[in-house]
Amino acid sequence: AQSVTQLDSHVSVSEGTPVLLRCNYSSSYSPSLFWYVQHPNKGLQLLLKYTSAATLVKGINGFEAEFKKSETSFHLTKPSAHMSDAAEYFCVVSGNAGNMLTFGGGTRLMVKP
Amino acid sequence: DSGVTQTPKHLITATGQRVTLRCSPRSGDLSVYWYQQSLDQGLQFLIQYYNGEERAKGNILERFSAQQFPDLHSELNLSSLELGDSALYFCASSVGVGGLQETQYFGPGTRLLVL
Repeated sequence: AQSVTQLDSHVSVSEGTPVLLRCNYSSSYSPSLFWYVQHPNKGLQLLLKYTSAATLVKGINGFEAEFKKSETSFHLTKPSAHMSDAAEYFCVVSGNAGNMLTFGGGTRLMVKP
Repeated sequence: DSGVTQTPKHLITATGQRVTLRCSPRSGDLSVYWYQQSLDQGLQFLIQYYNGEERAKGNILERFSAQQFPDLHSELNLSSLELGDSALYFCASSVGVGGLQETQYFGPGTRLLVL
């Protein structure tokens, strides 16, 4: 079985400062990992995914994540936060067959002007 | 816009009732997945259909059922509704059967409120 732990339920940053959203996973196989974002009253949008190619994955809107197998982590970063980044972010691991996604509890990112 | 559509956007009903949620996958996608997002359980996988056949099952209650039709749209049926079934129900789709390389694209969700 697989599981995902998002270490912070809320993160608050000032506009223009770096963003770090932390995620640890547990899996008995080599997983695929994803970050999805959910803006208020919106669906889930894929930010980026890791599928055993390059360990540093670049996504949309300036986000990137690094897969660290030794630390079982997949933290999401962005050099400079924008007001429009305020949303809920989900770290996700795929099932062994790839068809069942397991979601972390979510991190709500707040961006202060 | 992911290309996955869900109807209705909002649904308000009473306990004991039955509702049907509808999902149309992206053009060309053969798999449809259903997820439930609630305050206490978070986001949970319910069920997957691939080309009309049930492929994988998660934490789906016996009161809930789903099917995928020949035109690949899917319906999630929720019956004998309880207050705790109030949640946001997402549909997602992917190209194939769901291998590790695949990406699931999510619809905007249907918000169900059971009174």
